[in-house]
Amino acid sequence: DQQVKQNSPSLSVQEGRISILNCDYTNSMFDYFLWYKKYPAEGPTFLISISSIKDKNEDGRFTVFLNKSAKHLSLHIVPSQPGDSAVYFCAASEDDKIIFGKGTRLHILP
Amino acid sequence: SAVISQKPSRDICQRGTSLTIQCQVDSQVTMMFWYRQQPGQSLTLIATANQGSEATYESGFVIDKFPISRPNLTFSTLTVSNMSPEDSSIYLCSAGQGANYGYTFGSGTRLTVV
Repeated sequence: DQQVKQNSPSLSVQEGRISILNCDYTNSMFDYFLWYKKYPAEGPTFLISISSIKDKNEDGRFTVFLNKSAKHLSLHIVPSQPGDSAVYFCAASEDDKIIFGKGTRLHILP
Repeated sequence: SAVISQKPSRDICQRGTSLTIQCQVDSQVTMMFWYRQQPGQSLTLIATANQGSEATYESGFVIDKFPISRPNLTFSTLTVSNMSPEDSSIYLCSAGQGANYGYTFGSGTRLTVV
């Protein structure tokens, strides 16, 4: 059973607009949630994380929102730039181990 | 954040043989992990590499198939043993001080078993 779910395999967004990537989870024991970005032939790159006791964390163009009651988090990228085109993985940790979702491929359109 | 060097970057191996993948971190880290990413799939955690003791394996992965060493706080190896074509995958090393800081990943080893 998948504990971290990214139900949208792909998303296309116009350059300059907001990209919203969504993630759902089932395990209420997760203590941190993370977002990673991955380009082809490279390892994932850590973007931003949020503690389970917070509801928002912001870092530059990236903001992560956590709704614990809904077991849902989202990553907002604003404004979206061409270099943001990549696969984005939602991940969650318990006891310092990280479990990944299947990823969402983000296409930024010119 | 830590910088990880992972070797080899790719290899083509005969079935029945073994391959050892190395992961070198440029600073001492508390946690090191090994993941597998099969074609079109997400990253699946194989095991936590424990310094000076046996690795902790996730469900579906066993030590005989994926022996792991971690002799110190900067280095780990993963061996894929008695390989079959089903082992063809990308194997990734990850390391860091804890999940709240985010972990760094190596660039991966693309393994093809023929």
